[in-house]
Amino acid sequence: KAGVTQTPRYLIKTRGQQVTLSCSPISGHRSVSWYQQTPGQGLQFLFEYFSETQRNKGNFPGRFSGRQFSNSRSEMNVSTLELGDSALYLCASSFGQGAYEQYFGPGTRLTVT
Amino acid sequence: GESVGLHLPTLSVQEGDNSIINCAYSNSASDYFIWYKQESGKGPQFIIDIRSNMDKRQGQRVTVLLNKTVKHLSLQIAATQPGDSAVYFCADVFSGSARQLTFGSGTQLTVLP
Repeated sequence: KAGVTQTPRYLIKTRGQQVTLSCSPISGHRSVSWYQQTPGQGLQFLFEYFSETQRNKGNFPGRFSGRQFSNSRSEMNVSTLELGDSALYLCASSFGQGAYEQYFGPGTRLTVT
Repeated sequence: GESVGLHLPTLSVQEGDNSIINCAYSNSASDYFIWYKQESGKGPQFIIDIRSNMDKRQGQRVTVLLNKTVKHLSLQIAATQPGDSAVYFCADVFSGSARQLTFGSGTQLTVLP
């Protein structure tokens, strides 16, 4: 079974721009969670989607948003990029909503200049 | 607020020795704990989990110990191998937070030849 895939793997954007990241979960998994990983803050939860609905949200500003499609693929969008948004964005999928065992993708490395 | 931390940011062990990675948590209501391994350039990989009603769980070469009295969690790796070199994270789940994972800051394990 293929693992979680994320595209693109690397991205360079300029401050003020917006960006969309994509995640394809493991086949059969219906829950997708997004995390931000930085050296200073570590791994922080952004939000979780299940059945095309946001079920849980972390403590991030409204510039961070996401959505999930009927095939469980998910996208996250960051608008008005700031330098501090530079991070590794990780997507994790699990079978059920809020399931404990989450499988992570390789992440998208976003650099904001 | 709730937090999960790790005792040491780095740990070096000789190949073949046993490794012990420690983690402390503050939320006494956490009901599930997970250890993840993250190799350079990859997303976190699930290693082992333990529920709060257990105090020990064993996997292949790994053992997790949970001491709820002092809110301490440890990961023991037997006969450490070069492939075990990675950053190890503990994460806890509190069902009251809609089962959102909260990650510790990570310990970089280096296996010396």
